[in-house]
Order: sequence, then structure tokens, then C-alpha cells
Amino acid sequence: NAGVTQTPKFQVLKTGQSMTLQCAQDMNHEYMSWYRQDPGMGLRLIHYSVGAGITDQGEVPNGYNVSRSTTEDFPLRLLSAAPSQTSVYFCATRAGTVNTGELFFGEGSRLTVL
Amino acid sequence: GENVEQHPSTLSVQEGDSAVIKCTYSDSASNYFPWYKQELGKRPQLIIDIRSNVGEKKDQRIAVTLNKTAKHFSLHITETQPEDSAVYFCAASSFEGTGRRALTFGSGTRLQVQP
Repeated sequence: NAGVTQTPKFQVLKTGQSMTLQCAQDMNHEYMSWYRQDPGMGLRLIHYSVGAGITDQGEVPNGYNVSRSTTEDFPLRLLSAAPSQTSVYFCATRAGTVNTGELFFGEGSRLTVL
Repeated sequence: GENVEQHPSTLSVQEGDSAVIKCTYSDSASNYFPWYKQELGKRPQLIIDIRSNVGEKKDQRIAVTLNKTAKHFSLHITETQPEDSAVYFCAASSFEGTGRRALTFGSGTRLQVQP
């Protein structure tokens, strides 16, 4: 039982490049989300999903796309990376969709955009 | 949307002392308030949470209090130990524009327990 798995753990991009951060969970959780963590700013919600085929924007969605074709996977796409997207990205899941209860985080993906 | 402010940003205490971290929130409809602990280089993990129908909750050396009227909640750690050193995040659950709820996190408090 791996829980929440994020890949890659580290990535360096040049401005304008695209990439996808992968998130996979084996806990059969309905809710999946992406947060970015920047120094002094806590965790900010980018996008979230309450089930396959359903996605919503969070606090800071600009520059990011998501899709949810299966319960297990919730990839985060950067279409044209910018230095402002340099951050640590966390995928987090939760059983149910009522927004109470424990969030289970992945180990994080550190992204640097040059 | 919800706005969560967290203070202090850093806190240093002697081992065995108590530590208190405070958060305020803006949305009076928020109904769920968790606290997460993040050790250096690790993922955040839930340590305690409280719902709006409860004023206080304890779990061994950790307690959380909620004042809905003033819209603030606090984390209390007693008899601190070096392994309590970490960054602590508060959060509040509120409705987003889509009508669904989302968690908004505070900016974090770095707690250092001096042996």
C-alpha cells in the first residue's frame, strides 16, 4: 500500500518548457488536490477534484491544468513554465468529498524554473 | 474566499515549556479547522483537528481551542520535546466559488524546541 505517490521528486525546467507532475493514489480516495508551497506563504491550493471527470480551480490555478480520468491519477500540467512557478508541489488526497477529515500528502515534487 | 492568518511565524521555546500558535480566519461559515505538522524535508501530516460545534479538543500533549465568535483558533503544545521541532500549519475549510469547500492554510509557524 504505497499511499500517495508523486513523480518526479525533482525537476529543473527552462522558461517556456512544459511538463507534467504525476500523482497516483491507491487508497480509493475520491478527493485529490494539488498544493504549492512557497516560503512564508504556506500551502496554496491550485486545483482539486472530487471524483473522476470533475475538477475545480483553487486559489492559484493560473498556468496549471489538471484532468481526472481515473480515481487513482490526478496529473498537474504546466503548459509554459515560468520562474514564478518555482516551488514545491504536493499532491494530497482524502476519503470522501465533504472537506473534513485527514488530507494525505505525497512526498512532494521540487520544481525549479530557470 | 477564506483568509487564514497565523502567528507567530517563528517560535523558540525551551524543552518542557509550552508553545501556543494562533490563527484567525475570515469566513464565518468555516466549519473545520485542522492542524498539520511538517518536519524538515517531509510531507505535512495531520496532528489534530476540530469542528465548529466543539470548543476544545485534546490529544495527549496537544490541544486545540476554537472561538467562533472571535473567529480564531489556537494550537497548544505542553511539555515540549525536541521532536516537536517542525513547521506547523493551521487551516480552515470554507466554500469556494464553485460551491464546494476547500481548505485554506495559514502561512506556517516554525517551532524550535531548545534542549
